[in-house]
Amino acid sequence: DTEVTQTPKHLVMGMTNKKSLKCEQHMGHRAMYWYKQKAKKPPELMFVYSYEKLSINESVPSRFSPECPNSSLLNLHLHALQPEDSALYLCASSQEYSTGREQYFGPGTRLTVT
Amino acid sequence: RKEVEQDPGPFNVPEGATVAFNCTYSNSASQSFFWYRQDCRKEPKLLMSVYSSGNEDGRFTAQLNRASQYISLLIRDSKLSDSATYLCVVNPNQAGTALIFGKGTTLSVSS
Repeated sequence: DTEVTQTPKHLVMGMTNKKSLKCEQHMGHRAMYWYKQKAKKPPELMFVYSYEKLSINESVPSRFSPECPNSSLLNLHLHALQPEDSALYLCASSQEYSTGREQYFGPGTRLTVT
Repeated sequence: RKEVEQDPGPFNVPEGATVAFNCTYSNSASQSFFWYRQDCRKEPKLLMSVYSSGNEDGRFTAQLNRASQYISLLIRDSKLSDSATYLCVVNPNQAGTALIFGKGTTLSVSS
């Protein structure tokens, strides 16, 4: 089973709202990732968690706050977003971060900031 | 030179055609390579992994040329359902660096 689940599928939020995106995998993977994808562009890496510790933050604005409560769960907390943050947010997981193995993506959350 | 380069296309082919995409990468230390397909407004799905010289899965063949630093994806007997964007992804094998995505090649198969 190579399933990564994400909730919600769609989210519309105002610029003053606080919301959270959730991601879950039960493949025993120890690396989890958040990506942002705009239309007709490749996914853009935001954060990498390895063994529940933040390994990479690609200079993401602080209005995005990741959290890894345990090895199966990854959250992305959103606060005071801008309309240009509207995008598809993808979660992915892989066996380990250091080995550069395949990543498996969830279906994504399509976020619209109004 | 960009880290991972792909011809964006679009490639427009009839059903049954054979089509090939190339992808070049700049880091000679790169160890592993992947092809993902992405349908419109969906997530990328892993199509093939390449760890040595190549890989074959049914109508799909991926080949790696380390000397020239390119990976190719060959699709034989194209189906309408093959229409998608194909992303070339490279593991640069550098500490602190995650997978690098190409910008994708768009394929449209018509009847």
